[in-house]
Amino acid sequence: SQQGEEDPQALSIQEGENATMNCSYKTSINNLQWYRQNSGRGLVHLILIRSNEREKHSGRLRVTLDTSKKSSSLLITASRAADTASYFCATDAWGGSEKLVFGKGTKLTVNP
Amino acid sequence: DGGITQSPKYLFRKEGQNVTLSCEQNLNHDAMYWYRQDPGQGLRLIYYSQIVNDFQKGDIAEGYSVSREKKESFPLTVTSAQKNPTAFYLCASSVSGSTDTQYFGPGTRLTVL
Repeated sequence: SQQGEEDPQALSIQEGENATMNCSYKTSINNLQWYRQNSGRGLVHLILIRSNEREKHSGRLRVTLDTSKKSSSLLITASRAADTASYFCATDAWGGSEKLVFGKGTKLTVNP
Repeated sequence: DGGITQSPKYLFRKEGQNVTLSCEQNLNHDAMYWYRQDPGQGLRLIYYSQIVNDFQKGDIAEGYSVSREKKESFPLTVTSAQKNPTAFYLCASSVSGSTDTQYFGPGTRLTVL
């Protein structure tokens, strides 16, 4: 069953604009992770945020987590054409689940 | 140069054949995973292993089998019992089980002819 669900399914923006993607989940979590996938490639880990954290930054990436709303957002600032990819959130389940559950992803297109 | 390798990149199978996808890692990770990805979809867990000689079924294990005889290797066999095997297969590893950051291989695209 899908734990995380990304929104929107697809997003198209111009270079230089900011891109915001959202992830909602159903059960309590230990942490939430964001991954990126270029077309036809494996996933690359971007950032992990723990349930006791509210915001985390990494370069042009900003992730927020609202456990009361069971949601997270990924913001990419000053986007570049090279940011074109699919972005997935992945969640575990509170209580020591042994596996991550991935959402269906947001397909981001950054137009030059 | 550490990482995860998968081979082959593309694989074609005739109906009724078993095929084995290779996954090797030199990251010294204990845990390894196999996922299936269909077009426009997320990843679905097939099997995972947290330690050598032990593995567990994921959400869609039917028609697949795995082995974990060495820490570095976690091959996946797609059997003829898998009714719709055409998909993109991703292998991943993590330091330990649970919900550590996972490191992915480049994937194998399997097509049934």
